[in-house]
Amino acid sequence: GAVVSQHPSWVICKSGTSVKIECRSLDFQATTMFWYRQFPKQSLMLMATSNEGSKATYEQGVEKDKFLINHASLTLSTLTVTSAHPEDSSFYICSARDLDISGGYTFGSGTRLTVV
Amino acid sequence: DAKTTQPPSMDCAEGRAANLPCNHSTISGNEYVYWYRQIHSQGPQYIIHGLKNNETNEMASLIITEDRKSSTLILPHATLRDTAVYYCIVRVGHTGANSKLTFGKGITLSVRP
Repeated sequence: GAVVSQHPSWVICKSGTSVKIECRSLDFQATTMFWYRQFPKQSLMLMATSNEGSKATYEQGVEKDKFLINHASLTLSTLTVTSAHPEDSSFYICSARDLDISGGYTFGSGTRLTVV
Repeated sequence: DAKTTQPPSMDCAEGRAANLPCNHSTISGNEYVYWYRQIHSQGPQYIIHGLKNNETNEMASLIITEDRKSSTLILPHATLRDTAVYYCIVRVGHTGANSKLTFGKGITLSVRP
């Protein structure tokens, strides 16, 4: 079945630094990927839609200059949290759209980001 | 996409059936009911989806009322590993142009030994 690999699974970084999270579709091509953020005991919040070869579409209230998304190939999308601050600490999850699978979406295992 | 309402939590005994309700009274004719679950600190996992007929797969059954205003996800023999947050999502089919998948608060299912 469709597999989405997300890396790293957890990361700790210092305030003011940048962190890059990778999302790869392992056995299918994903023209569309999605990035979510989840705070403790809350639901997933969609941050942006990433389309291969074009600019990402950000949800209202999400700073595009802070959360840089690159989808340069059909199997890789990256999310870079720039100038991270403690309030950016969260669980980040990517998802890829695959029309050939039931439900149409496969999710990565998530990245736990802690900014100290 | 139509809004859904789920109870915040429920529990059931291991080995028994877990029936998770979802209300979606404003569902449109072309909207499907999807169910995903999220085990703690993992990404969501697709369970099942349906339009108006009841559906069954290896994980669960989905019962949709005739008026389509509510549905029930049934886990026939719950195990401890089924403890998770279950999300009921109503949206147009995933092949549609509007491809976003948005999550509500979900229902936390706790399976007790």
